[in-house]
Amino acid sequence: DIQMTQSPSSLSASVGDRVTITCQASQGINNYLNWYQQKPGKAPKLLIYDASNLETGVPSRFSGSGSGTDFTFTISSLQPEDVGTYYCQQYDNLPPKFTFGQGTKLHIK
Amino acid sequence: QLQLVQSGAEVKKPGSSVKVSCKASGGTFTNYAINWVRQAPGQGPEWMGGIVPIYDTADYAQNFQGRVTITADESTTTVYMELRSLRSEDTAVYYCARGARFREVAGAFHYWGQGTLVTVSS
Repeated sequence: DIQMTQSPSSLSASVGDRVTITCQASQGINNYLNWYQQKPGKAPKLLIYDASNLETGVPSRFSGSGSGTDFTFTISSLQPEDVGTYYCQQYDNLPPKFTFGQGTKLHIK
Repeated sequence: QLQLVQSGAEVKKPGSSVKVSCKASGGTFTNYAINWVRQAPGQGPEWMGGIVPIYDTADYAQNFQGRVTITADESTTTVYMELRSLRSEDTAVYYCARGARFREVAGAFHYWGQGTLVTVSS
């Protein structure tokens, strides 16, 4: 089974800061990597799909990069509304399988 | 714009079963997978399985094989998830989510239901 290691588990940053979260796969996963934001009591919201594609309607300060085993999620200028927990998600299609990272809880300083 | 609306909260006894529904409206139903993802309190999401309604056969996560059944009713554009032999560890919010890939259980989850809290308690 592919293991996903997401770091850090929590992060505190100031408004306007650049924030980076990483996700590492135990073996190559092409670009089958998505990023979600979740706020308390709400369903996860897709931000980035297939490693680097910005979901429609998501602000351009969010971005993703990487391929193979190492992936990065970036918020270029942190805003107060970005508080929440962020998850990476890897998927396979043969057979179907989806694995979420452990999550990164983002706070504002 | 696709909307997924789930059934309401459930309280169940250990050893019983629960069936949660997810009704799709406003978008294509038959050709894209509806997946089920659960999230226990304070934990990350966990994929349980998914079904492409036009194929009517589901794929399941190994952790849930034999205990979960996912079905689709094209006439009502509704997908169901039944979980059996409930235990306290199954207490979680259960979400349905639509996959991105045409006729595959694969890809990102662009659309999510609002979640259904299932509480298992004696």
